[in-house]
Amino acid sequence: QTVVTQEPSLSVSPGGTVTLTCGLNSGSVSTNNYPSWYQQTPGQPPRTLISTTNTRSSGVPDRFSGSILGNKAALTITGAQADDESDYYCMLSMGSGIFVFGTGTKVIVL
Amino acid sequence: EVQLVESGGGLVQPGGSLRLSCAASGFTFSNSWMTWVRQAPGRGLEWMALIKPDGSGTAYVDSVKGRFTISRDNAENSLYLQMNSLRAEDTALYYCGRFGLAYAMDVWGQGTTVAVS
Repeated sequence: QTVVTQEPSLSVSPGGTVTLTCGLNSGSVSTNNYPSWYQQTPGQPPRTLISTTNTRSSGVPDRFSGSILGNKAALTITGAQADDESDYYCMLSMGSGIFVFGTGTKVIVL
Repeated sequence: EVQLVESGGGLVQPGGSLRLSCAASGFTFSNSWMTWVRQAPGRGLEWMALIKPDGSGTAYVDSVKGRFTISRDNAENSLYLQMNSLRAEDTALYYCGRFGLAYAMDVWGQGTTVAVS
């Protein structure tokens, strides 16, 4: 069974930088998994931040960036702001039309 | 305005059935890959099912394969999820979504709640 793992929780100071990762229990994440990233605040549907590893969606601030770091996908928030405090999910394409979300990371800004 | 509006959620007994609908507007539905995602209370997102623009192909997560069926009516700009043999663990908020060109969801509905009890 495919499991996509993320850090359960990360803290960042206002103005600081934090990197969230997205890994696969079965091997490495690559651009062929078309990693995407989503932000969700309580009571709201997710908001799409990043597609195909590093393409920001329209209206997403450039403090959000995506990449591949080693064998994982990564989302970096540079210059964190209070309203970045949210849950963040990655999603990977596993081929044949199958997708898997990561376990999610709660980002705390304090 | 690009919009997805889900409906059809509710309370159902274990073993029962429910059909969710998703009304699309503001974009060319017939050209769009569509999907269902769910979120159990206090839990993370779970991708469930995908359908091609013309409905000719579908894909499912293993946990719903054989029980749930995704379908669409392009003339009505509508997406559906037929859910049979429902279990307590299917209790969740169900979102419909559009896949953009880049293997990522780019439009989300507000969700409809399904409770199996």
